[in-house]
Amino acid sequence: AQSVTQLDSHVSVSEGTPVLLRCNYSSSYSPSLFWYVQHPNKGLQLLLKYTSAATLVKGINGFEAEFKKSETSFHLTKPSAHMSDAAEYFCVVSDRGAGTALIFGKGTTLSVSS
Amino acid sequence: DAGVIQSPRHEVTEMGQEVTLRCKPISGHNSLFWYRQTMMRGLELLIYFNNNVPIDDSGMPEDRFSAKMPNASFSTLKIQPSEPRDSAVYFCASSFSSQGLGETQYFGPGTRLLVL
Repeated sequence: AQSVTQLDSHVSVSEGTPVLLRCNYSSSYSPSLFWYVQHPNKGLQLLLKYTSAATLVKGINGFEAEFKKSETSFHLTKPSAHMSDAAEYFCVVSDRGAGTALIFGKGTTLSVSS
Repeated sequence: DAGVIQSPRHEVTEMGQEVTLRCKPISGHNSLFWYRQTMMRGLELLIYFNNNVPIDDSGMPEDRFSAKMPNASFSTLKIQPSEPRDSAVYFCASSFSSQGLGETQYFGPGTRLLVL
């Protein structure tokens, strides 16, 4: 069975400081891992995706995530937060080998203060 | 590329009425997903189709909900009769998969449903 846990429901940072959104996953097969972002009253947008190539994945808007199999983690980071990064972020896992649908975490709300 | 198109964007209806949500996936995609998002339950997968065939509808809450995909470019999610607890944002997503699931899904803007 697969699952995903986002360790923080809410993260607050100041503009210009680093962002860390934590995600742990459980997967029986080789997972695909995603981060999606949802701005208020908007749909979900793909930030980045890991499938089995490089463990450090670069996404849009300066975000990146590192796949660590030993820690079953896929944390999302950004060196310097911008006000426009304020949104809800979802970590998502899928068992490619099992042919299953995406499983979404409960989301982390990122607040950015000036 | 127009992306995934959903209509209507907002719907307000009274309890007991029928509600139909519509989705046009990205051209060339062969998988389509319906999700529901609420504050209490987060994002839930309701049903998904592959090549127009429903594969897993275990997320559909009850018999009041039904979904169809008559062709590769159109899907509907119907609620009949609607209840206040159905109030949520309903998202449609599509993807192209050559070997099953686990592929990137592209989401529509959602339909915000309010049942009074």
